[in-house]
Amino acid sequence: NAGVTQTPKFQVLKTGQSMTLQCAQDMNHEYMSWYRQDPGMGLRLIHYSVGAGITDQGEVPNGYNVSRSTTEDFPLRLLSAAPSQTSVYFCASTRGLRETQYFGPGTRLLVL
Amino acid sequence: KNQVEQSPQSLIILEGKNCTLQCNYTVSPFSNLRWYKQDTGRGPVSLTIMTFSENTKSNGRYTATLDADTKQSSLHITASQLSDSASYICVVILDNDYKLSFGAGTTVTVRA
Repeated sequence: NAGVTQTPKFQVLKTGQSMTLQCAQDMNHEYMSWYRQDPGMGLRLIHYSVGAGITDQGEVPNGYNVSRSTTEDFPLRLLSAAPSQTSVYFCASTRGLRETQYFGPGTRLLVL
Repeated sequence: KNQVEQSPQSLIILEGKNCTLQCNYTVSPFSNLRWYKQDTGRGPVSLTIMTFSENTKSNGRYTATLDADTKQSSLHITASQLSDSASYICVVILDNDYKLSFGAGTTVTVRA
């Protein structure tokens, strides 16, 4: 099992550009989520999904879109990048609310 | 205001020594409390998961305790090793809610 994989590992964008952060898991987990991690702050939930075709907003959803067409994939789209979106982004998956959550290696995003 | 507060923000210990990290939370009702270890440049990895009815949970040299009455948890690291250098994150999960509350983490540096 590869677990949770994320691509790219690092990305530099210019303000206004759009891009998609990829996330995939091979553990057949129903629950997937996207977080951002900023210095001195805890991870903050951007969007999450409880199954294919179902997504919902987290704590900081503005400026981001998600879709869940398959159980395995949960891409995060930045519509029009802003410097405030400079952060490290983590994707995670879990079998259920009381189960262990597995995180991907992260994507470091720099918006100039 | 963050509902999960961790202390200290950082600490340095000598290899072989013990240390204790603190986590105070205000979220309720909660389903379970977790401790994660995050190595620099990598995603968090689960160490322990405790329900509100559990007082202690161990994972090798890591022992987590929970006092649901005072809403406090601690993570004790015994006989620290250089590989214990990482950030340790406390996470509280609300009952029947997928939105996790993350602490900002405690950075532990173990020196030879």
